[in-house]
Amino acid sequence: DVKVTQSSRYLVKRTGEKVFLECVQDMDHENMFWYRQDPGLGLRLIYFSYDVKMKEKGDIPEGYSVSREKKERFSLILESASTNQTSMYLCATKRQGVIYGYTFGSGTRLTVV
Amino acid sequence: KNQVEQSPQSLIILEGKNCTLQCNYTVSPFSNLRWYKQDTGRGPVSLTIMTFSENTKSNGRYTATLDADTKQSSLHITASQLSDSASYICVVSPNDYKLSFGAGTTVTVRA
Repeated sequence: DVKVTQSSRYLVKRTGEKVFLECVQDMDHENMFWYRQDPGLGLRLIYFSYDVKMKEKGDIPEGYSVSREKKERFSLILESASTNQTSMYLCATKRQGVIYGYTFGSGTRLTVV
Repeated sequence: KNQVEQSPQSLIILEGKNCTLQCNYTVSPFSNLRWYKQDTGRGPVSLTIMTFSENTKSNGRYTATLDADTKQSSLHITASQLSDSASYICVVSPNDYKLSFGAGTTVTVRA
């Protein structure tokens, strides 16, 4: 089974801090995604990556950046955390060209105070 | 406006009973529709995936239907169990990289 591991289940950060959320997968998938999930809203795509060192903006990239230096690791960076970035963050992976194969991590619940 | 609307927002059912969740979408073009189950504090897990040509798909006690003409889907849970308590999310995809998520239906199964 594909394993998608997010480094932290819960994080509490202060406004203005730089925050790193890490996602690691062990199945050599080319595509990786970062979503945020808020009550009453569907998951929204922040950024995705086709492959190493490649990245594309999703629907809500403002205030975020990403890094993909290695195939198995996709990092989401909050340059200066704000309270409106308090949310559940979910990482997902998929093999290139396989439409059906999304696998999600367990999520990181980030609170910015 | 969300392109994937789910109803009801939440429901409570007794263990052993059946229930049906609804999903209406306006996403176009259409490639496939998925239903995910998300337990509290966990990531979504795929239940079913249907393409344009499929109108029903089952996974154990879960049965999904799709009417691509009316752009509606349903998820039927048969003989509910306590472990079915979760959020159920309808996801419509126009292509390989774009997923449009509904807000989910929260199901609570009570003994």
